[in-house]
Amino acid sequence: AQSVTQPDIHITVSEGASLELRCNYSYGATPYLFWYVQSPGQGLQLLLKYFSGDTLVQGIKGFEAEFKRSQSSFNLRKPSVHWSDAAEYFCAVGAGFQKLVFGTGTRLLVSP
Amino acid sequence: GAVVSQHPSRVICKSGTSVKIECRSLDFQATTMFWYRQFPKQSLMLMATSNEGSKATYEQGVEKDKFLINHASLTLSTLTVTSAHPEDSSFYICSATLTSRGGDEQFFGPGTRLTVL
Repeated sequence: AQSVTQPDIHITVSEGASLELRCNYSYGATPYLFWYVQSPGQGLQLLLKYFSGDTLVQGIKGFEAEFKRSQSSFNLRKPSVHWSDAAEYFCAVGAGFQKLVFGTGTRLLVSP
Repeated sequence: GAVVSQHPSRVICKSGTSVKIECRSLDFQATTMFWYRQFPKQSLMLMATSNEGSKATYEQGVEKDKFLINHASLTLSTLTVTSAHPEDSSFYICSATLTSRGGDEQFFGPGTRLTVL
């Protein structure tokens, strides 16, 4: 069965520090992997996606993620966090954009 | 980018009543829309796939008679929670699929918080 694990419920990072959000997945075939961000009152916004090719994927807002098949991971990174990055982040897996399976989310708090 | 709206953003109703939630794709047409349910501190759970002009496809464990989905046009899908009970209180999120030359992408609405008293 498909599943996504985000082991960190909350993460607090100082503004300007680097960030890594963890995501592990279980999927029977070649996975399509996604990271979304959810801010209060707004819909989920796609940060980046991996379908195939280069395993290091660049997204919007300075985010990147690396697909590691051997570790079944797709961790999200940002070299320098801004206060506006505080939000809920969801990792998801699916076959294309159909029937996405989401992780439980990681809430990012940014301290001054 | 593509925008998806939901109405209402919040609704409080009495137990036993029905509530309709609308999902609209504002600047594109969507043959396929999805309805999700999100419990506090939990992930989004797909409830059903809504296809324009045909019956919705429900995920296992979702009662189709309780959660009525209608996708009457390429820009509107509705979810009606019938005879709502307190356990139906949740955050309901829809998404709409935009098909372009680069492939499909889902765009999400801001969600509707339903509270059943």
